[in-house]
Amino acid sequence: QVQLQESGPGLVRPSETLSLTCTVSGGSFNNNYWTWIRQTPGKGLEWIAYIYYTGSTKYNPSLKSRVSISLDTSRSQFSLNLRSVTAADTAKYYCTRGGGWWEDWGQGTLVTVSS
Amino acid sequence: QSALTQPASVSGSPGQSITISCTGTSSDVGAYNFVSWYQQRPGKAPKLILYDVSNRPSGVSNRFSGSKSGNTASLTISGLQGEDEADYYCCSYTSSSIPYVFGTGTQVTVL
Repeated sequence: QVQLQESGPGLVRPSETLSLTCTVSGGSFNNNYWTWIRQTPGKGLEWIAYIYYTGSTKYNPSLKSRVSISLDTSRSQFSLNLRSVTAADTAKYYCTRGGGWWEDWGQGTLVTVSS
Repeated sequence: QSALTQPASVSGSPGQSITISCTGTSSDVGAYNFVSWYQQRPGKAPKLILYDVSNRPSGVSNRFSGSKSGNTASLTISGLQGEDEADYYCCSYTSSSIPYVFGTGTQVTVL
């Protein structure tokens, strides 16, 4: 089973960029989709984006103008950048493996947007 | 794209069966057999318990089963146990611009 671990700052100032990294161990990047999902008390679970091992990406249109996802296979990592954050982006962010369903999840990292 | 609709809470006694509904539209649940279900215990990440409507990943108890009729998918938990107390979420592929939409979540209580 693949293990995933999110890392990044727990506090981000409004209008700045949220940057998270997910480190993958125990498995290969090949032939996998790597996905970010977030969870807020108000909106529940929300799919953010995925990146295929080839580098192709798909984004949630509601975030598309602000979000990017990238892959670093040499480090077994994939990353999320979310620009111009507001309080509405305060959430627990999960990295996961999968494209249509997600069997492997990181433990999640809480990111608070506040000045 | 609106979230899929689930009951806020469902409860049952140990040993009973309960069913959680997940209602969408003809653009998501009704259009595809790509419905998955997740169990989430407090402070933990969601855990996949069903995919493609009714398939169980390895290691998931056969007390969990899934079905779909029209725009509504259902998760049934048979032989309810205390360890089943958790929040449950459905998710469906959708033809809208957002490829995946989650349900509103259901809190299961074992009486």
